[in-house]
Amino acid sequence: DTEVTQTPKHLVMGMTNKKSLKCEQHMGHRAMYWYKQKAKKPPELMFVYSYEKLSINESVPSRFSPECPNSSLLNLHLHALQPEDSALYLCASRSATYEQYFGPGTRLTVT
Amino acid sequence: SQQGEEDPQALSIQEGENATMNCSYKTSINNLQWYRQNSGRGLVHLILIRSNEREKHSGRLRVTLDTSKKSSSLLITASRAADTASYFCATGSGGSNYKLTFGKGTLLTVNP
Repeated sequence: DTEVTQTPKHLVMGMTNKKSLKCEQHMGHRAMYWYKQKAKKPPELMFVYSYEKLSINESVPSRFSPECPNSSLLNLHLHALQPEDSALYLCASRSATYEQYFGPGTRLTVT
Repeated sequence: SQQGEEDPQALSIQEGENATMNCSYKTSINNLQWYRQNSGRGLVHLILIRSNEREKHSGRLRVTLDTSKKSSSLLITASRAADTASYFCATGSGGSNYKLTFGKGTLLTVNP
């Protein structure tokens, strides 16, 4: 199984809401990533988890809070977001030979 | 900050023609990867070339890497309409904190 799944596919939230994005992989990969992608732009790295520990935080605002409950799951908790946070949020896992496998993304709209 | 810069930003060709995309980067790398993204979807890994490799093939794809010039190219031969997508190069660096830094991408349109 080389699939990375993400839920939900679409999310609309107000600026005072709290929501979570979920990502799951069953390839046994021990590194997982969150990216943010705006329209017509490349993905921008947000967080990296390696062996369930946060190893990279690319100076992401605290309104984004990642969590890695186990080696297969990655969450991104959202709170008090701004309209400029509207984007496609991509999760990826990394193989031992460095290829990254991406999920289909969550299209987030903040109103 | 973005590491890779793709050239051209957009490319439109006819089916059956070859498409060449170039990528330049600024710092040392462990490897360089190319990904494809269909509109609004997740990225698909195409090919990885290590810093000590100069050329790699996978099906209709050919990737070259010139570390002295800090550049790479992706050639897609005999293009098909289904190849229409955005193509990104991504430089990989770091050991235990390995991460990819993506270039701006090339939008390839293959006309039937």
